[in-house]
Amino acid sequence: TQLLEQSPQFLSIQEGENLTVYCNSSSVFSSLQWYRQEPGEGPVLLVTVVTGGEVKKLKRLTFQFGDARKDSSLHITAAQPGDTGLYLCAGADVMISSGSARQLTFGSGTQLTVLP
Amino acid sequence: ETGVTQTPRHLVMGMTNKKSLKCEQHLGHNAMYWYKQSAKKPLELMFVYSLEERVENNSVPSRFSPECPNSSHLFLHLHTLQPEDSALYLCASSQDVGQGNYGYTFGSGTRLTVV
Repeated sequence: TQLLEQSPQFLSIQEGENLTVYCNSSSVFSSLQWYRQEPGEGPVLLVTVVTGGEVKKLKRLTFQFGDARKDSSLHITAAQPGDTGLYLCAGADVMISSGSARQLTFGSGTQLTVLP
Repeated sequence: ETGVTQTPRHLVMGMTNKKSLKCEQHLGHNAMYWYKQSAKKPLELMFVYSLEERVENNSVPSRFSPECPNSSHLFLHLHTLQPEDSALYLCASSQDVGQGNYGYTFGSGTRLTVV
């Protein structure tokens, strides 16, 4: 199983500030996904990045996949209280038993709190 | 409404009980998953089904028994659980298991407490 490390674990900021969270691994992934999870709910997919160096923007959120496809970052501009949640990255790697099917390996997440 | 529905939302059970968690998806997806989410730990993959066939079982104890009668329904049967099994159990589905580039759609989870 390949490991994904997310940093920071916890982040508390004021509304209007910018922030960046990181997802790092020593292994290469075929693709990487970012999810946001709110209390009492399941994770919700935000974006999938596939190509090394790829940058995707989703309103105030900017996602980048590292050139070597081992790491990723999520940058939020002008954070709002509605951005509060647990941000999870997940990398797709091959299931050992099948040899072709891919599973998602999740990081432990960054808990973001945006204060009004 | 996420398209993946899990019931019950909360479950308290004794260590000698038998219970089942249910997951249903109406997205036309071919793959379904069970994940365990414990405090301060990454989501742990438990089982993967593709077109009703089990693809992966990540060394999960036999007190957890999955069942996938068709591509829309997934069950997790529980018996003689331990207190350390208390966690949020999440069901997810995806288009297929072939590439991993498809997003997973998660249900809201079942919060399980073993007493």
